[in-house]
Amino acid sequence: SQQGEEDPQALSIQEGENATMNCSYKTSINNLQWYRQNSGRGLVHLILIRSNEREKHSGRLRVTLDTSKKSSSLLITASRAADTASYFCATDGGSGTYKYIFGTGTRLKVLA
Amino acid sequence: DGGITQSPKYLFRKEGQNVTLSCEQNLNHDAMYWYRQDPGQGLRLIYYSQIVNDFQKGDIAEGYSVSREKKESFPLTVTSAQKNPTAFYLCASSISDSYGYTFGSGTRLTVV
Repeated sequence: SQQGEEDPQALSIQEGENATMNCSYKTSINNLQWYRQNSGRGLVHLILIRSNEREKHSGRLRVTLDTSKKSSSLLITASRAADTASYFCATDGGSGTYKYIFGTGTRLKVLA
Repeated sequence: DGGITQSPKYLFRKEGQNVTLSCEQNLNHDAMYWYRQDPGQGLRLIYYSQIVNDFQKGDIAEGYSVSREKKESFPLTVTSAQKNPTAFYLCASSISDSYGYTFGSGTRLTVV
């Protein structure tokens, strides 16, 4: 079962532009995470945001969480060609069992 | 350096064969996970383990088996009962449910 669904499925932007990806989920959560995956590689953890947090920053990344709408967004500012990757959100479904469910991902392409 | 190692990187299986994918971590993480990723898709949870000698089924456990005899190791066996095993398999570990996962680089399994 898919808990998180990312939107859009694919996004193509020019280098230097901002990229925004959204994640919607169905059930209450404790934590939500964002990951990046380069083609054919493992995933890299970007940010974890807790249900009592509304926004977190890490470098050029900004994550927001709206638990009333059951949605999160990932903003990448001043994008670079190296940001080209797939981005996934993952939610714990409030389970507290260390078990996260991943969405289907947004494929971001940054054009030089 | 601490990390999580998956081997082999590529694996070919004949029809009716069982194959075992290795996953080893030296991060001292309690929890370990196996996910399956099909082309252009998100990750689906196969099995996870929160502690040594204990593991739980994920969403798509049929045709797979695991063991967790040591904290460092969480091998996945793809049995002949798994009718469509061709996929990219990712192993991950985490210290707790409030921290991100560390992923291995994956094993690409192909049925020949």
